[in-house]
Amino acid sequence: QKEVEQNSGPLSVPEGAIASLNCTYSDRGSQSFFWYRQYSGKSPELIMSIYSNGDKEDGRFTAQLNKASQYVSLLIRDSQPSDSATYLCAVKDGSSNTGKLIFGQGTTLQVKP
Amino acid sequence: GAGVSQSPSNKVTEKGKDVELRCDPISGHTALYWYRQRLGQGLEFLIYFQGNSAPDKSGLPSDRFSAERTGESVSTLTIQRTQQEDSAVYLCASSLIGGASYNEQFFGPGTRLTVL
Repeated sequence: QKEVEQNSGPLSVPEGAIASLNCTYSDRGSQSFFWYRQYSGKSPELIMSIYSNGDKEDGRFTAQLNKASQYVSLLIRDSQPSDSATYLCAVKDGSSNTGKLIFGQGTTLQVKP
Repeated sequence: GAGVSQSPSNKVTEKGKDVELRCDPISGHTALYWYRQRLGQGLEFLIYFQGNSAPDKSGLPSDRFSAERTGESVSTLTIQRTQQEDSAVYLCASSLIGGASYNEQFFGPGTRLTVL
């Protein structure tokens, strides 16, 4: 059973701080990794994708990937109350040629003003 | 451009009834996925369509679940003889090419199904 593990939280940070969200995965064959943001009652929204080891930055978001450690993280700089949401880590199934994603349970982030 | 659309947004049905959920992917996206999200849970893969290739049905939980797709457009997910455990949000996603490594999937708003 391929798994994606995330701490469910809630992770609480003050406004303006850096929020660090972590994810580990079991499938060594996985090559594509995604972070989705999901507001309560809404559908997931893609915020970052990463395919190579190292860091990828997009605005206030930085995704980090370490395939050897099977670890993906998302950093949110200058956290805002509007960043309060559940963040889902998703990993492309490495043994499938269909591109189906395996999702973690999500980490709830609370940014306090 | 228009995103993924789904209908209905909400569906309440009685146990034992059949339901049909619809998904219209982003124009030009050849791959289409159905996922299910139970309350407070992550997303579970159900089924995948890519062009004229045979669909990947490996995530369908039982033979009460089926799905169809017409070419590279609309897809319908049918649940027969609904059970209370089928209550969930059913999410549809599409992407440019399903099997490619660079496979960013974009989700529709979902259909919230409640089985009484």
